[in-house]
Amino acid sequence: DAGVIQSPRHEVTEMGQEVTLRCKPISGHDYLFWYRQTMMRGLELLIYFNNNVPIDDSGMPEDRFSAKMPNASFSTLKIQPSEPRDSAVYFCASSRGHTGNTIYFGEGSWLTVV
Amino acid sequence: DQQVKQNSPSLSVQEGRISILNCDYTNSMFDYFLWYKKYPAEGPTFLISISSIKDKNEDGRFTVFLNKSAKHLSLHIVPSQPGDSAVYFCAAKRDSWGKLQFGAGTQVVVTP
Repeated sequence: DAGVIQSPRHEVTEMGQEVTLRCKPISGHDYLFWYRQTMMRGLELLIYFNNNVPIDDSGMPEDRFSAKMPNASFSTLKIQPSEPRDSAVYFCASSRGHTGNTIYFGEGSWLTVV
Repeated sequence: DQQVKQNSPSLSVQEGRISILNCDYTNSMFDYFLWYKKYPAEGPTFLISISSIKDKNEDGRFTVFLNKSAKHLSLHIVPSQPGDSAVYFCAAKRDSWGKLQFGAGTQVVVTP
């Protein structure tokens, strides 16, 4: 079975540009999570969805960040405008239900904003 | 607000010896705990979990211990192998919630 698929794997962009990260969760999973990994804070939860509906976006750093899940098989995380401090690895993850279940991560999107 | 803390950023251990990774949490509502392992350039992968109704869970070389009164859990790897060299993340959640909160990770290096 295919795991969580993220694109792009690597992105280098200039400050001020819009960045869109994409995610395809595992089929049948009803929870989708966006995490960011930095050296200082480890893995931070940015936002998560249940059945395509955003449940908790309290981890989204600021208004420059937005996430959507138009259907059960696709989600985007957008940064507009991007800044150098947004440079990090962004992980998408999904799970089936939430009780006692683990979540499965994609391989991550490495973002560098110069 | 870091509710899950891994205070040791790195750990070096000799092959064949025991690796002990520690994790503390502050939210007493957490009732399900997990450890994830991460290799460079890959996403984290699930390693082992424990529910708050238990104080120990074992899976092969990996054992997780939970001390609810101290809000502390630990991961023991016995014996450590070179392939165990990775970053280990502790994570916690309320089982009734969807979201998982992670610690900052501990880099384990197993030396020959």
